[in-house]
Amino acid sequence: GENVEQHPSTLSVQEGDSAVIKCTYSDSASNYFPWYKQELGKGPQLIIDIRSNVGEKKDQRIAVTLNKTAKHFSLHITETQPEDSAVYFCAASNPGRGSTLGRLYFGRGTQLTVWP
Amino acid sequence: GAGVSQTPSNKVTEKGKYVELRCDPISGHTALYWYRQSLGQGPEFLIYFQGTGAADDSGLPNDRFFAVRPEGSVSTLKIQRTERGDSAVYLCASSSGGNTEAFFGQGTRLTVV
Repeated sequence: GENVEQHPSTLSVQEGDSAVIKCTYSDSASNYFPWYKQELGKGPQLIIDIRSNVGEKKDQRIAVTLNKTAKHFSLHITETQPEDSAVYFCAASNPGRGSTLGRLYFGRGTQLTVWP
Repeated sequence: GAGVSQTPSNKVTEKGKYVELRCDPISGHTALYWYRQSLGQGPEFLIYFQGTGAADDSGLPNDRFFAVRPEGSVSTLKIQRTERGDSAVYLCASSSGGNTEAFFGQGTRLTVV
């Protein structure tokens, strides 16, 4: 099955700086890569996703890049704010192989702390 | 409702007892997923329903775990003879179909003492 690895496990940045979280996956057939933000006591919230037919996607201060050859994808947050502090999870899915987009394989998470 | 709703939000039970966890998906969503999240880990897939039927239950750890969705809406995750190792946050997610993104509820924190 799919194996998703995520680094770093913790990340501290100063407000206004950028933060980058990196993930690798093992199954070359995976073609959907969402990122979730989880605040304490809440469920994961989808913040951005990318499919394998594009290499980069941006949404305001958040961007995701995908390198299918290297089986590597990253989350970039610019101009970080204290409210960005949370645990971020990457995930991979292969909805085409008799499975569904919601059948996700998650990384172990990154605790992001943004200091004011 | 506006989002996925899970009840109870917290459940403490004694080892060996039976528990039921409930999930109300977003109205109209046909796909429903259960995940389990242990402390410091990412969510792990348990089971996926498309309508009333379990389309993929490959993530259920053993036969003490069972889930139903009799009318294709609300789902119940059932755990028999609970063990301390079952302590985790149980997350439910739903989507409008197999090829659309899933939205998660806030989870049920299960503690087995």
